[in-house]
Amino acid sequence: RKEVEQDPGPFNVPEGATVAFNCTYSNSASQSFFWYRQDCRKEPKLLMSVYSSGNEDGRFTAQLNRASQYISLLIRDSKLSDSATYLCVVNPHRAGSARQLTFGSGTQLTVLP
Amino acid sequence: EAQVTQNPRYLITVTGKKLTVTCSQNMNHEYMSWYRQDPGLGLRQIYYSMNVEVTDKGDVPEGYKVSRKEKRNFPLILESPSPNQTSLYFCASSTNQGTSGYNEQFFGPGTRLTVL
Repeated sequence: RKEVEQDPGPFNVPEGATVAFNCTYSNSASQSFFWYRQDCRKEPKLLMSVYSSGNEDGRFTAQLNRASQYISLLIRDSKLSDSATYLCVVNPHRAGSARQLTFGSGTQLTVLP
Repeated sequence: EAQVTQNPRYLITVTGKKLTVTCSQNMNHEYMSWYRQDPGLGLRQIYYSMNVEVTDKGDVPEGYKVSRKEKRNFPLILESPSPNQTSLYFCASSTNQGTSGYNEQFFGPGTRLTVL
């Protein structure tokens, strides 16, 4: 089983739609969680961290469910500029391990005019 | 401007011809890492470094070498490239993990390597 799993999509949604992505992780001891955004042929960039209490940044809402080991990203009122691949990223806590982040393979979103 | 730079950005080479991809960051970050990205597989870590002269293997280290002689530089070396190393490579840096566990990674622009 992959450490971090995402639905690869693609998700094709009309402008203004609300879209949600889920991501599951296998290590129950994982400490921190993030969503990164990657535009086509560009480097990944941090979109937002995911806090236990859930957090919101404008049109974006991230939630964490530790019991079920998944995180989610909700995008409201989607814009054409939201078209990108969204990477779920987990910081697994492994005793003796110094590696920092494990990346999911990404969910591709295309917002259509 | 705070950034991570990689060179070259694009490279086409032939099997067996040694090459080096350079990575440099100007943010005084302790942690640096190399990833490769392949369709359907996402980002996979090749090697990482927690600080100068401290390097360790990631998930897919075979066929690669790294060195960390200076804090700002973390070159990736392919001693004898093979076609299965054709990929998009990213270098990243961050501060070392603090007690909060928050450690945003800053990525370079990527190097697209083709090995014929």
